[in-house]
Amino acid sequence: DVKVTQSSRYLVKRTGEKVFLECVQDMDHENMFWYRQDPGLGLRLIYFSYDVKMKEKGDIPEGYSVSREKKERFSLILESASTNQTSMYLCASAPKASYNEQFFGPGTRLTVL
Amino acid sequence: AQSVAQPEDQVNVAEGNPLTVKCTYSVSGNPYLFWYVQYPNRGLQFLLKYITGDNLVKGSYGFEAEFNKSQTSFHLKKPSALVSDSALYFCAVRDMVDSSYKLIFGSGTRLLVRP
Repeated sequence: DVKVTQSSRYLVKRTGEKVFLECVQDMDHENMFWYRQDPGLGLRLIYFSYDVKMKEKGDIPEGYSVSREKKERFSLILESASTNQTSMYLCASAPKASYNEQFFGPGTRLTVL
Repeated sequence: AQSVAQPEDQVNVAEGNPLTVKCTYSVSGNPYLFWYVQYPNRGLQFLLKYITGDNLVKGSYGFEAEFNKSQTSFHLKKPSALVSDSALYFCAVRDMVDSSYKLIFGSGTRLLVRP
């Protein structure tokens, strides 16, 4: 059974802190994605990776960075958290072919105070 | 630019009645279209997709969607709604001209099925 896990379901951080969100998939998928979900805005792509050590900016990369040192793990980093980064963060993975659907993790609800 | 529109923030329907959740898209080439569902405090679950072929696509939980190229629409349907179908539904598109694996998501439609 396909599985994408995220390190935390809920996270509370203070402004200026460095925040790490971890995502692990066990399907040997090449592609991995980080989205944020905000009411009325749907899902917006932050970064994605199509291979180990490769990364591409999505639609809203400002204030974020990513790391993919191993195929199964994709980390999202908030270098200096701000209140406008309070959101639900969703990780997804997908096999290489472009017609394949993405598989999502349960999400991390991050609150920045 | 690629885009997806879900014109209704919320759809209300009585249990047992048919439901439709609307989606229209704009892409430069032929689209790959997807529907996802999100139950409270959960990640997104894949429902169905259109790649090519028959315009009527069947998916999980009794849902189906109709691809209409002339109207650039991909509406989600179910003949008889259940209270348990109440959730947030997202339409998404990938443009075949674009070789990336990105999906563009709509803003979501909340479906409320009343008993």
